[in-house]
Amino acid sequence: QVQLVQSGAEVKKPGASVKVSCKASAYTFTTSAIHWVRQAPGQRLEFMGWINAGNGNTKYSQKFQGRVTITRDTSATTAYMELTNLRSEDTAVYYCAKEIWGTYEWGYWGHGTLVTVSS
Amino acid sequence: QSALTQPPSVSGSPGQSVTISCTGTSSDVGGYNHVSWYQQPPGTAPKLMIYDVNNRPSGVPDRFSGSKSGNTASLSISGLQAEDEADYYCSSYTSSYTYVFGTGTKVTVL
Repeated sequence: QVQLVQSGAEVKKPGASVKVSCKASAYTFTTSAIHWVRQAPGQRLEFMGWINAGNGNTKYSQKFQGRVTITRDTSATTAYMELTNLRSEDTAVYYCAKEIWGTYEWGYWGHGTLVTVSS
Repeated sequence: QSALTQPPSVSGSPGQSVTISCTGTSSDVGGYNHVSWYQQPPGTAPKLMIYDVNNRPSGVPDRFSGSKSGNTASLSISGLQAEDEADYYCSSYTSSYTYVFGTGTKVTVL
């Protein structure tokens, strides 16, 4: 059973950074892409970026370029999303999703990680 | 990248059919056959319902179907059921090698 297990909820102060993890299991991690999507309270889904878990290549949405870094640890079959210089508008649930590379089928999603930014 | 445009809400009675539109540009929906649709009940993670315009993942009922014409994609739900009540989002691959989501549509079963 493919699973994506994300790290727990975080509370951060404005200006701080947050790093969310996404632990994958029950498939060959390096054949996938991991996408990161966020959803502010009551708002739409918003694409942040992706990583090719095989070669580590990344691509970020222009909106988050310069503030987001997506990495992976193949030995731990885990992807990470770090967002810096947090502001209140970054309060959201952050999701990871898996795509078998090149299929465009995001069939599995993590349960989401709530990040709250508050002074 | 601007969000794809969806109607805020659609509704129908049980057994009826509803269609949700998703309008983008030639740089996303119109340029690629990589349009997906997600169902999201309140408080849950999105669930893939359609990918590559009209492909259903295993386990998704055939009441759900997708199509595309020009810069607009559509999701149709036939034989509407109470369990279909949720928010629905489209997404598309883009010319920037990224993805863009739609504004979201709330489906209400009357």
